[in-house]
Amino acid sequence: DGGITQSPKYLFRKEGQNVTLSCEQNLNHDAMYWYRQDPGQGLRLIYYSQIVNDFQKGDIAEGYSVSREKKESFPLTVTSAQKNPTAFYLCARGKAGAFPRATEAFFGQGTRLTVV
Amino acid sequence: EDQVTQSPEALRLQEGESSSLNCSYTVSGLRGLFWYRQDPGKGPEFLFTLYSAGEEKEKERLKATLTKKESFLHITAPKPEDSATYLCAGNYGGATNKLIFGTGTLLAVQP
Repeated sequence: DGGITQSPKYLFRKEGQNVTLSCEQNLNHDAMYWYRQDPGQGLRLIYYSQIVNDFQKGDIAEGYSVSREKKESFPLTVTSAQKNPTAFYLCARGKAGAFPRATEAFFGQGTRLTVV
Repeated sequence: EDQVTQSPEALRLQEGESSSLNCSYTVSGLRGLFWYRQDPGKGPEFLFTLYSAGEEKEKERLKATLTKKESFLHITAPKPEDSATYLCAGNYGGATNKLIFGTGTLLAVQP
């Protein structure tokens, strides 16, 4: 699993309900990310966190919320304000490279959310 | 705006027929160029990171190369199990270290 676990694999939500997706990593990496994948589009960044108790919005954060209370956990809540929540959600952990090298990202197996 | 563009969108090969996938990227500020393999319904699997022009990396039948404006993923004598979507992503550093992804190349290798 590349040191990162997402659950559940499939999730169904009724319109108007909030739902939380789990992401756990066991490699003590500081950086964690949430991406969304839609057919025909590249992955897009929702939120990221570089350290415990701190996180920042990505490109498409509206309708989503996160928390980072523990280093190993970075759950994503899809709120009722997200207008088009049906998608494949991917969590990643970041392995920092020595500057100026980039952080390498390793992904979990994803959660497919369907609004019914 | 930083961009990553992959071509072709889809590629069908016969088993053993070598080919290359292309990834062109915004040059300014690139800190790393990544290749991933993604199987249907699964998360992307990390393949390679390339940092500077001229760099090459290999893994089994795959070889990734980087020039000053694009990257190639060469597939030598592919097998049906190489069928997948191959994603390219650029990292431009900054506060997020986020990856900017292309839309992928869907590779189908027929026996």
